Amino acid sequence: GQNIDQPTEMTATEGAIVQINCTYQTSGFNGLFWYQQHAGEAPTFLSYNVLDGLEEKGRFSSFLSRSKGYSYLLLKELQMKDSASYLCAVRDSNYQLIWGAGTKLIIKP
Amino acid sequence: IAGITQAPTSQILAAGRRMTLRCTQDMRHNAMYWYRQDLGLGLRLIHYSNTAGTTGKGEVPDGYSVSRANTDDFPLTLASAVPSQTSVYFCASSDDGGSDTQYFGPGTRLTVL
Repeated sequence: GQNIDQPTEMTATEGAIVQINCTYQTSGFNGLFWYQQHAGEAPTFLSYNVLDGLEEKGRFSSFLSRSKGYSYLLLKELQMKDSASYLCAVRDSNYQLIWGAGTKLIIKP
Repeated sequence: IAGITQAPTSQILAAGRRMTLRCTQDMRHNAMYWYRQDLGLGLRLIHYSNTAGTTGKGEVPDGYSVSRANTDDFPLTLASAVPSQTSVYFCASSDDGGSDTQYFGPGTRLTVL
């Protein structure tokens, strides 16, 4: 079966750095996405990786290793507004997105 | 309109009733999707449409139907609602660029009693 694993919840301190991991087992791979979802709102696109390596976009970076079925989202200089759920999704061989359950990130002052 | 809109924002429905959730996008995206999101689970694909006039079944299609008469609209119909269809429903569309990134509407919170 297809599976996306991410931690259920993480806590970090304002101003710090946090890494959210995602491991996947899917039928085929055509890219990995990270989305941010604030409580009661829609998911919003953060990053896309299709090749191995690090993609940096401001305070957020995303890393991919296809051979290990592994990605992480790195958030630097954490702000209170970063408190949200972070969703990992993989596009499979049918070009459909398979979604993880999300990681709820709690930022403390 | 800018992006994707969904209606209604929320709805309480008696079991057995018919309900249509509306979704409209103005980005001229070819592909559109319907997901449900339940606590503790990832987004699950109900139905999708790669282009106007075509639709396909996702992971959890039973009890739902869709149509795609034009590029902008992609309604989702529950023919006879059941309590297990209580969920938050998101419509999304994707661009035709290299990443086919999906963009989401604000969601509809549906409660079936």
